[in-house]
Amino acid sequence: GQQLNQSPQSMFIQEGEDVSMNCTSSSIFNTWLWYKQDPGEGPVLLIALYKAGELTSNGRLTAQFGITRKDSFLNISASIPSDVGIYFCAGQLYGGSQGNLIFGKGTKLSVKP
Amino acid sequence: EAGVTQFPSHSVIEKGQTVTLRCDPISGHDNLYWYRRVMGKEIKFLLHFVKESKQDESGMPNNRFLAERTGGTYSTLKVQPAELEDSGVYFCASSPRRGGETQYFGPGTRLLVL
Repeated sequence: GQQLNQSPQSMFIQEGEDVSMNCTSSSIFNTWLWYKQDPGEGPVLLIALYKAGELTSNGRLTAQFGITRKDSFLNISASIPSDVGIYFCAGQLYGGSQGNLIFGKGTKLSVKP
Repeated sequence: EAGVTQFPSHSVIEKGQTVTLRCDPISGHDNLYWYRRVMGKEIKFLLHFVKESKQDESGMPNNRFLAERTGGTYSTLKVQPAELEDSGVYFCASSPRRGGETQYFGPGTRLLVL
């Protein structure tokens, strides 16, 4: 089945630092999504990308949909303690009739004040 | 507007027992999805309802899992009999229409099978 390779698996950074994580796949996706999960909660959508090459920002977050449709990255600038959590990339297949999402394994972010 | 709700939030059962998880989607959302995250692994798709019909159940692990969505509103996911490997977090998500629409996730049910 389709797989998303998400890296890094975890990050320990100092408050104020920038963060970058990415996802790659051997499959083409028509939608890339980035979610954040806080402890005890479900994933919350941060950014949705619908076009190859699209670069979208949401506050301190910036994400891009790769030109090849097989990858995406998420950047967080000037991290703060509340950025702590698990970040997941997710994709929806190109041309597929399925609505289900395919997720990466997540990047666990820890921010030291 | 209320979000996706799931019940129970936690469940601890013994191997061989039955557990039923419930999901209430956002009102008016036709699409309802079940996902599962086994510890240390990625969140994996289980199945997708459009109203009361099963659109895609390709992710269901085996016939011990039964999902229903009678009347096209809330959904239940029953595991019978539960096995150790069924432990994990079960998420429900809903969206207003298919194909690219944002899926809103519930808080999940944490299932532990002993």
